[in-house]
Parts: sequence; structure tokens; C-alpha cells
Amino acid sequence: GEDVEQSLFLSVREGDSSVINCTYTDSSSTYLYWYKQEPGAGLQLLTYIFSNMDMKQDQRLTVLLNKKDKHLSLRIADTQTGDSAIYFCAENAGNNRKLIWGLGTSLAVNP
Amino acid sequence: DAGVTQSPTHLIKTRGQHVTLRCSPISGHKSVSWYQQVLGQGPQFIFQYYEKEERGRGNFPDRFSARQFPNYSSELNVNALLLGDSALYLCASSPNLMNTEAFFGQGTRLTVV
Repeated sequence: GEDVEQSLFLSVREGDSSVINCTYTDSSSTYLYWYKQEPGAGLQLLTYIFSNMDMKQDQRLTVLLNKKDKHLSLRIADTQTGDSAIYFCAENAGNNRKLIWGLGTSLAVNP
Repeated sequence: DAGVTQSPTHLIKTRGQHVTLRCSPISGHKSVSWYQQVLGQGPQFIFQYYEKEERGRGNFPDRFSARQFPNYSSELNVNALLLGDSALYLCASSPNLMNTEAFFGQGTRLTVV
């Protein structure tokens, strides 16, 4: 089956690192994504990782993929108040490569 | 270069009416996908169109239909609106069928009263 799970809430202090975790079920997924959604806004593609990679780093963002455990994480270094948003994990699954989404993790950054 | 544009941004309709939502993909992108996002949930896949053909359909009733035009823009149509159709409708643009990079528009907020 196709399912993506995330914890719903995360609260961190400004300047700390945030780690958002995600598990997925479709082992045939070729790409895994992290999107950011601010209130009332659309989805912003933050980064994605190909399934044959273990890690991808892009400025303050680090994505780790454990394909054996079907676990994906997003680390945000030096978290800022502007990082407060909902973060969605998504997998690229199925024959038509639709995106399957988690429910989103609401990140609150406290000054 | 313009990103994915959707229109209208907000819409209020009454039950039983019909609605048409529009999406223009990023220039050069041939794939358009539609998603429905209900408040507090992740997006749910409705359709994917690539090169003007339907390439995928999610678990939505036949009241939902879509099409893609020669310029790769797309319309999503919903007939006989129900209160439960109230949601943010998102359009995603991708350069290829595999959706390796899917970029989203700001969405159309549909409220059915």
C-alpha cells in the first residue's frame, strides 16, 4: 500500500536545529520530497532526493534517507522564525508517479 | 520566468453549481497534475495530464474532470458541487511524466456554501 507518516508537531528554539522525520511504505518510490507550506499559501519545493542516495545537503537543509527502513528526515540548521510552517514529506509512487503525501509536520520556532 | 499560475485565487459557489479552475504551468513543462488539499490534511491526487493526455486519476468521483490544452495549460472542472468539495485546489507543473520536480501554484481556495 501507499502511506506516508509524519509526526504532527515540532517546537524548537530559534538558532537550534530542527529534525523532521517521515516514514513511507512504497519501496519502489524513486524520489522523495520535502515541501514547505506557509499559512494560506501553496506548496514550496524545498528539496528532493533520489532513492539511490543516502544524503543530500543544500545550504541549511540536510536530507537523510534510510531506504532499508523507509525513513526520511529533514534537518534544518540554525532554525529561524521564518522557518515556521508546515513541512510535508511526499513520495513519488505508483505507475503514474503521483505524489503521496504525509499529513504534514507543523514546525513552531520560538524566539 | 513565471512560476505556476492558478486562477482564480478564491471562489465561493453554492451546492449543485459547477466550477472551472485554471492552471498555467511553468514554460516548457508538459505535465500538469491536480491535487485537492482539505484543511489540516496533505494534498490528495486528482489527475495528471501529460502531452494533453490523462496519465493518472486519483480516487475522485466522475463529477471531477480535467483537460489539458495544446499550450499545456489545464482546467479542472467539478460538477454538482458538494459542501465537502470545499478545499484548496493545487496545480503542480513538472517537466516530465515522472514528476521528478513538481512545482506548485498558490492554489485556488474553493468554498462551497
